[in-house]
Amino acid sequence: DAKTTQPPSMDCAEGRAANLPCNHSTISGNEYVYWYRQIHSQGPQYIIHGLKNNETNEMASLIITEDRKSSTLILPHATLRDTAVYYCIVRASNSGGSNYKLTFGKGTLLTVNP
Amino acid sequence: DSGVTQTPKHLITATGQRVTLRCSPRSGDLSVYWYQQSLDQGLQFLIQYYNGEERAKGNILERFSAQQFPDLHSELNLSSLELGDSALYFCASSRDRVDEKLFFGSGTQLSVL
Repeated sequence: DAKTTQPPSMDCAEGRAANLPCNHSTISGNEYVYWYRQIHSQGPQYIIHGLKNNETNEMASLIITEDRKSSTLILPHATLRDTAVYYCIVRASNSGGSNYKLTFGKGTLLTVNP
Repeated sequence: DSGVTQTPKHLITATGQRVTLRCSPRSGDLSVYWYQQSLDQGLQFLIQYYNGEERAKGNILERFSAQQFPDLHSELNLSSLELGDSALYFCASSRDRVDEKLFFGSGTQLSVL
């Protein structure tokens, strides 16, 4: 799986948009970008994923650059409950081999401040 | 609530002992995954089962073993425990063999004294 690079920490004011960047310059054509988050000591929670088009759901938006070498997760109106470690993961979506497993890096600790 | 149930929530034991962690996946999910999270290693994939069969192996020690039963619940067995095995153990489930979304349980905190 392609390696990802994320800033170790970010701050955001409550009510403002949180933009979390992720670099994945070695991503290959069949690899998706996934975002999960982990609130302190809880199990990770799926947020969103995409291949090359921008995606939006009830939790967040995912913007993937045209060359797919980087992406940004956007939480449009951050709340205190969004304080968590956010993981950007690149993973192939195929049925062969074991390279479809999720490999978590260190992620970005997002702190939402009142 | 993810729908994945893990028991027990906390486990305290001594070195050399053996423990069993249990996981019930979401209703309808056929895949179960086990992850270990320690302070120095982060979240590490251990093993995956799909419909009762081992599907993929990660950084699982030989002292550890797992299985998935016909009712799809899974157990992770940890034996000859060492201090370094102290960690949070998470179970996750997904609908299929290669599902985009994993749903994680709340974990079992294992403390080896």
